[in-house]
Amino acid sequence: GAVVSQHPSWVICKSGTSVKIECRSLDFQATTMFWYRQFPKQSLMLMATSNEGSKATYEQGVEKDKFLINHASLTLSTLTVTSAHPEDSSFYICSARGLAGLRQFFGPGTRLTVL
Amino acid sequence: GENVEQHPSTLSVQEGDSAVIKCTYSDSASNYFPWYKQELGKRPQLIIDIRSNVGEKKDQRIAVTLNKTAKHFSLHITETQPEDSAVYFCAARLNTGNQFYFGTGTSLTVIP
Repeated sequence: GAVVSQHPSWVICKSGTSVKIECRSLDFQATTMFWYRQFPKQSLMLMATSNEGSKATYEQGVEKDKFLINHASLTLSTLTVTSAHPEDSSFYICSARGLAGLRQFFGPGTRLTVL
Repeated sequence: GENVEQHPSTLSVQEGDSAVIKCTYSDSASNYFPWYKQELGKRPQLIIDIRSNVGEKKDQRIAVTLNKTAKHFSLHITETQPEDSAVYFCAARLNTGNQFYFGTGTSLTVIP
């Protein structure tokens, strides 16, 4: 149980375009989802926390107008990278936490390359 | 927020030997400490976790110890195997929120 999927797994886009990444909890209801960014050989950096039906809470230094997060249902959260630039190229990973319990379960990640 | 430090950043051990990775945290309000294993290009996988009301937890070859007074916790892998080679991350969760704060990671290599 506790499967989290992410789509797409890899996306290449031109500079200035927007990219949407989906995170779904497949077999449980995720009241809270988290979005992380990971650079090569580095740790996971928490970008934002989203609770279903409410606005996301962004970590310090993360531009909320740049990284739009929507958590419209208990099984889906989306991250939209707006006006993407090469420096936004990274591995984006979501995780989800259920109604009860502390554990977070990670999606497989999305590799974004901005040309 | 929380600040989690992890050591060492790289670790090489011979197959069959033990590996120990240590993490410290700054906020005494943290109450949950998971460990994740991440293989290259893949998602982090939870391997073991411990809550602040427990000092030690073991699952086969993997164990975690927690010292709340000193604010540090460690991952112990015994009888290491080549498939244990990966990057390991510790994390800490404040009891006042949902967020996990991750350590910087340890790249473990088990030499056959």
